[in-house]
Amino acid sequence: DVVMTQSPLSLPVTLGQPASISCRSSQSLVYSDGNTYLIWFQQRPGQSPRRLIYKVSNRDSGVPDRFSGSASGTDFTLTISRVEAEDVGVYYCMQGTHWPPTFGGGTKVEIK
Amino acid sequence: EVQLVESGGGLVQPGGSLRLSCAASGFTFSNYWMSWVRQAPGKGLEWVANIKLDGSEMYSMDSMKGRFTISRDNAKNSLYLQMNSLRAEDTAVYYCTRGSAWGADYWGQGTLVTVSS
Repeated sequence: DVVMTQSPLSLPVTLGQPASISCRSSQSLVYSDGNTYLIWFQQRPGQSPRRLIYKVSNRDSGVPDRFSGSASGTDFTLTISRVEAEDVGVYYCMQGTHWPPTFGGGTKVEIK
Repeated sequence: EVQLVESGGGLVQPGGSLRLSCAASGFTFSNYWMSWVRQAPGKGLEWVANIKLDGSEMYSMDSMKGRFTISRDNAKNSLYLQMNSLRAEDTAVYYCTRGSAWGADYWGQGTLVTVSS
């Protein structure tokens, strides 16, 4: 199975400051159709996961533009340009390129 | 508005069975793959299974094969997960999601399954 390694485990951030979450895959996530099926989810406390980013860098409708996704080889990054209070929660990356789909362990974002 | 509402969770003894349901609305159900994802208490997310638009193809995690069966009824806009031979480690919130692992764009609120004697 593809291993998705997320870091850091916990990310204390100051309101208004940027934050970055890293996710590394154990193998290439480029599918035979040329797409890279890497998704980022946000899970606020007590809520279901919400998709933020799909295919590495495509932001979902309604997701603030302070969220962005990028990639360099097998390294993927979710960046929040200016953290707001509503961004508190756990963030997960997930690869859907290879079966079975696998998730990173999660990064807990909290306000300092 | 897309809505996914799970039901059927509860307390079950080890070795028992449960059938989860997911009622979908707000989109053309038969046009989408559908999936189940679970989350053990205080833990991360784990893919369970997904099913093709017409139910002709189903995929499930190796650890659940032979015990869990995903199915759908497009006439009723419903997704199901039949879980047999349940174990303590199957205790989790089970989420219904729209799409395969390429999508998973909408999630339900989840239903809690507790396996305990």
